[in-house]
Amino acid sequence: EVQLVESGGGLVQPGRSLRLSCAASGFTFDDYAMHWVRQAPGKGLEWVSGISWNSGSIGYADSVKGRFTISRDNAKNSLYLQMNSLRAEDTALYYCAKDIHPYSSSWYFGPSYMDVWGKGTTVTVSS
Amino acid sequence: EIVLTQSPATLSLSPGERATLSCRASQSVSSYLAWYQQKPGQAPRLLIYDASNRATGIPARFSGSGSGTDFTLTISSLEPEDFAVYYCQQRSNWPLITFGPGTKVDIK
Repeated sequence: EVQLVESGGGLVQPGRSLRLSCAASGFTFDDYAMHWVRQAPGKGLEWVSGISWNSGSIGYADSVKGRFTISRDNAKNSLYLQMNSLRAEDTALYYCAKDIHPYSSSWYFGPSYMDVWGKGTTVTVSS
Repeated sequence: EIVLTQSPATLSLSPGERATLSCRASQSVSSYLAWYQQKPGQAPRLLIYDASNRATGIPARFSGSGSGTDFTLTISSLEPEDFAVYYCQQRSNWPLITFGPGTKVDIK
């Protein structure tokens, strides 16, 4: 069974840092791009960051650029999000998501859509 | 940044009715658009990708159309489990991906 399990969320003060992790299982992790998507309480979805299968292509939403860093460890089947200089507006449920096509597929043309999602980990930024 | 606008914000319909949801992009995204469904307390589920391709396991009552800047998600006959929030998402200008604000389909 394809599974994504996020961890590392919690309550943190403004200006501090937090590192989220996502453990993947049930698929060949290093074949796929991965993403972080967040959802503030009662709000819509916001794409945060994405990373290609080999870390060669990375993207960030403007709202987190320069503060957040996405990374992956294919040997450990894990995805990470280092969040620095946290703000109240970063408070959200953070989802890890798998990209739909493996890089070897004829359908692949870069990180695109998210076909498997974890249950999320909650980040609360407050003093 | 490509901005996605969804309309209407809320759609009130009865089971068995046809639902038509719209997503408009601020500039062309070609066919690089997806639709997701999200129910309360659940993670989103991919329904449609590349504007018109159903994701694995998605019922045939869900269909997508459009290209360029105007896209439509159609649910041909609403089932009770289809009442949810629907989001569109573009990947045209990677490394930046954006979601629309969502359309809530609720029971009339």
